[in-house]
Amino acid sequence: NAGVMQNPRHLVRRRGQEARLRCSPMKGHSHVYWYRQLPEEGLKFMVYLQKENIIDESGMPKERFSAEFPKEGPSILRIQQVVRGDSAAYFCASSPKWGYQETQYFGPGTRLLVL
Amino acid sequence: QQQVKQSPQSLIVQKGGISIINCAYENTAFDYFPWYQQFPGKGPALLIAIRPDVSEKKEGRFTISFNKSAKQFSLHIMDSQPGDSATYFCAASIGETSGSRLTFGEGTQLTVNP
Repeated sequence: NAGVMQNPRHLVRRRGQEARLRCSPMKGHSHVYWYRQLPEEGLKFMVYLQKENIIDESGMPKERFSAEFPKEGPSILRIQQVVRGDSAAYFCASSPKWGYQETQYFGPGTRLLVL
Repeated sequence: QQQVKQSPQSLIVQKGGISIINCAYENTAFDYFPWYQQFPGKGPALLIAIRPDVSEKKEGRFTISFNKSAKQFSLHIMDSQPGDSATYFCAASIGETSGSRLTFGEGTQLTVNP
């Protein structure tokens, strides 16, 4: 059973470009979380999604960031018009269902560098 | 307050020693407290977790101690090994209402010297 897959593992973008980060949850998992880890900091919650639904996006910046988890295919975190402050590691986690203290399994992350 | 405060920021321990990492929280609604281990270039991996209805949980060399009245919890790594060298994050969540989204501490970089 493959773990959470994220790609690309490393992404370099110039200021103003778009970044698309993909996350394929573990088989059988229908809940996806995105977290951002700035250098030398802990992980910060961004958004929680189920298939075709955004459940909680309270951690998402109000502009330029969006996320989706379509019926088919991976979850996508999209950052438009990237700025240097977006440079960070972005982690996706999945769980089998919403529930009391469901374990979240993390992917290896995408390291975004904005030049 | 949704913050979780973690200390120390870094820790150096000799092989065979005890590593202790502490966390404190403000929000009394938190009801699930996991610890994650992260190696460089990898994603966090769940190490051990505790609920506030118990004061201690032990799994192998790893023990969580929980003090509900003080709103503090700690991770103890007994007989620390060089392979334990990693960054450790405490976290907390409100399981019932937020879909278990995790609030993380700032992390502790543990180095175990041979």
